[in-house]
Amino acid sequence: QVRLQESGPGLVKPSETLPLTCTVSGDSISSGDYYWSWIRQPPGKGLEWIGDIYYSGSSAYNPSVKSRVTISVDTSKNQFSLKLISVTAADTAVYYCARVSHLSPVRGATDLWGQGTLVTVSS
Amino acid sequence: QPVLTQSSSAYGSLGSSVKLTCSLTGGHTTYRIAWHQQQPGKAPRFLMKLEGSGSYNKGSGVPDRFSGSSSGADRYLTISNLQSEDEADYYCETWDSNTHWFGGGTKLTVL
Repeated sequence: QVRLQESGPGLVKPSETLPLTCTVSGDSISSGDYYWSWIRQPPGKGLEWIGDIYYSGSSAYNPSVKSRVTISVDTSKNQFSLKLISVTAADTAVYYCARVSHLSPVRGATDLWGQGTLVTVSS
Repeated sequence: QPVLTQSSSAYGSLGSSVKLTCSLTGGHTTYRIAWHQQQPGKAPRFLMKLEGSGSYNKGSGVPDRFSGSSSGADRYLTISNLQSEDEADYYCETWDSNTHWFGGGTKLTVL
């Protein structure tokens, strides 16, 4: 059974950097069968895709945060990470790591979610 | 870019059926989507990938009560024999080679 687990600080100060890590268990990030993504959800609001990464390091980002975000992968630890710089209160959200299938028949769809972690930006 | 439009709320009685709609605009009316369910206080759960043709593939463990269909730019999620645990937010998602987009979500209330 594949599981995704987010970890990182629950509180970040304004203007600082938000770092999160997702640990994948039950499957190898290096299999090449999936992309690995970050999605967030502000309290009481909808879902926003942040970006994703392939095991090779190839990544894509939402234009709305592209200038502030970096997603990286560590295949030796079976983890991928998110770094969001210069955060403001608007970045307060539940952050989910997720898996995007590269396999038929659900190729392209986000087919597995982590449990999410709430990150609050406040001084 | 594609825009996904969902009604903000929907209602259905216990044991009845309900059909949720996700409408594609922005010239992307043939796009496939995915449906996700988010029960209160929980992470979203993948339900199915739905093609413009109306064919769909469900995630592991998704009950038979959940089905998908398509008509033109509209993508539907039908839930039959509504149960109390179906009360949740439902989101549609689409994507291209570089980006993913989500609809605003529909809050389903089971009466």
